[in-house]
Amino acid sequence: EAQVTQNPRYLITVTGKKLTVTCSQNMNHEYMSWYRQDPGLGLRQIYYSMNVEVTDKGDVPEGYKVSRKEKRNFPLILESPSPNQTSLYFCASSPALNTEAFFGQGTRLTVV
Amino acid sequence: AQTVTQSQPEMSVQEAETVTLSCTYDTSENNYYLFWYKQPPSRQMILVIRQEAYKQQNATENRFSVNFQKAAKSFSLKISDSQLGDTAMYFCAFMKLYTDKLIFGTGTRLQVFP
Repeated sequence: EAQVTQNPRYLITVTGKKLTVTCSQNMNHEYMSWYRQDPGLGLRQIYYSMNVEVTDKGDVPEGYKVSRKEKRNFPLILESPSPNQTSLYFCASSPALNTEAFFGQGTRLTVV
Repeated sequence: AQTVTQSQPEMSVQEAETVTLSCTYDTSENNYYLFWYKQPPSRQMILVIRQEAYKQQNATENRFSVNFQKAAKSFSLKISDSQLGDTAMYFCAFMKLYTDKLIFGTGTRLQVFP
């Protein structure tokens, strides 16, 4: 089944403890992105990647890192999480520019 | 910078009725793409409909259709014959040409009741 898989789906962590949210797609898509969803703000792009080893900042990149060492994987790294990074995170992939984005199931992150 | 505005935080409709969700956007671009995504309680993001700005014909997908008014920068979603399964948050989104970034509105929560 074609899908984007994120793990974990739920995570509670403490301030300053490094964490990684994994994202993997099995559709051989070139483009991948991370978004965060906050009430009253919709979804905002954090980082995106156009291919292996090619990544760039989105609208809200502060406090996040990404890497794209393999085409299928695009992990999101929070080196030192803070409470303002409590949010719902989505990974998405697309086969080409301006086409449908396929989203993962979301990761609910709480930083206390 | 582009912005997307959804002015209706919540709406409700009776099963089998028709409902229209509003979306306006601001851009200086001439060519772009517009999307409606649905987020049911499962929180999965699902594409409902996609519109290319250079196509004048309004996109349609089964019970879902849009009213795209380019000059007015308006992109409303009409859901006909509403079903209980349409209960969800609906997001309008804008995408510039040759990019992979979706710019979302704040969403409209739609409740379909029996």
